[in-house]
Amino acid sequence: AQTVTQSQPEMSVQEAETVTLSCTYDTSENNYYLFWYKQPPSRQMILVIRQEAYKQQNATENRFSVNFQKAAKSFSLKISDSQLGDTAMYFCAFMKHLTVGTASKLTFGTGTRLQVTL
Amino acid sequence: KAGVTQTPRYLIKTRGQQVTLSCSPISGHRSVSWYQQTPGQGLQFLFEYFSETQRNKGNFPGRFSGRQFSNSRSEMNVSTLELGDSALYLCASSRDRAEDYEQYFGPGTRLTVT
Repeated sequence: AQTVTQSQPEMSVQEAETVTLSCTYDTSENNYYLFWYKQPPSRQMILVIRQEAYKQQNATENRFSVNFQKAAKSFSLKISDSQLGDTAMYFCAFMKHLTVGTASKLTFGTGTRLQVTL
Repeated sequence: KAGVTQTPRYLIKTRGQQVTLSCSPISGHRSVSWYQQTPGQGLQFLFEYFSETQRNKGNFPGRFSGRQFSNSRSEMNVSTLELGDSALYLCASSRDRAEDYEQYFGPGTRLTVT
């Protein structure tokens, strides 16, 4: 079974600053996906960034980037130039790599509540 | 393109009743997954359906069931409701495609059991 651990229940960052959210996971799988999802107070969960384990290059989406360390089973999210709209719960999630006939199931961490302040 | 829709958005039921929640996936998505979100247990996987077949099931009692229709719409049912079933129920759909895999979530149904 896979487990995902987010050790920071809450974090705060000032607008325009940079913040890093931590995530570690445990798995015996070699091929898998890792995700960061954002859930703003309005509740709709949206994907922030995705990383496939076989790709060594860290994923980047605009102000969001990850530091993926496969051997250490670590997957942190860096948010640069933080904006008020980044205030949300952030969930790290794991899924086995999709192959024909396999089911898709996300295993989530407990989340980090990020507050961006003026 | 319309997103994942869930109905109803809010529901209040009493213990012992049953409830049915509905999820309409994004057009073209054949995989639908259900998750339960509570403050105590976090986000937990309930089950996943693909082409009307349940492919995977989480560790929930048999009171939780689901189904998927030929148009990929899905329903989940909870019978004999308990207070602990109060939660946000999230539905997610995906294209089941490996190269750019993503689950798209709906807004959720907030179930309160009194």
